[in-house]
Amino acid sequence: GAGVSQSPRYKVTKRGQDVTLRCDPISSHATLYWYQQALGQGPEFLTYFNYEAQPDKSGLPSDRFSAERPEGSISTLTIQRTEQRDSAMYRCASSFSTGGETQYFGPGTRLLVL
Amino acid sequence: KNEVEQSPQNLTAQEGEFITINCSYSVGISALHWLQQHPGGGIVSLFMLSSGKKKHGRLIATINIQEKHSSLHITASHPRDSAVYICAGNTDKLIFGTGTRLQVFP
Repeated sequence: GAGVSQSPRYKVTKRGQDVTLRCDPISSHATLYWYQQALGQGPEFLTYFNYEAQPDKSGLPSDRFSAERPEGSISTLTIQRTEQRDSAMYRCASSFSTGGETQYFGPGTRLLVL
Repeated sequence: KNEVEQSPQNLTAQEGEFITINCSYSVGISALHWLQQHPGGGIVSLFMLSSGKKKHGRLIATINIQEKHSSLHITASHPRDSAVYICAGNTDKLIFGTGTRLQVFP
């Protein structure tokens, strides 16, 4: 596609529910990143993919968070048993490859856990 | 300790002023990104640089590899430049600075 898209743009859920967020990167881009941005804070790295491989998931805050990119294109971020502290903007970015390439950011999914 | 340190945290300016935002980073960062986050939340990549200087319109980014320091300059600032400016260091992932909130008043 022309840019990075994410869905849904907004998600309100009750504590304890599972949520899945989707990222559709730029089609020629091998590398896909997930970031979490709390209100008033800068983004924090969660994980990234090189095609379908996931070399680094050190930023995932707990085992309730998982991400997939099974065919090396679209990626999903799943949060199980959501907690109020999970409320944040979740941003996806893609780049042609790793190693200093410009990252193109999606519009983000704003998650609110009540 | 954050591997990317940014200053100032907040910056106000009058329209037309020259603005500088600074970023220092640690060893292991191969490239430095400057990003702009608008009040509506969207993030736009402004520059990615690993050496020297880049210019785009009224924006100039410089990097000093030896000193591990980068600056973002805005010449002839305008209220529409009001945004959060974030520097981020590239390893195999982006490590973000805390951002500089810029407000330019007419």
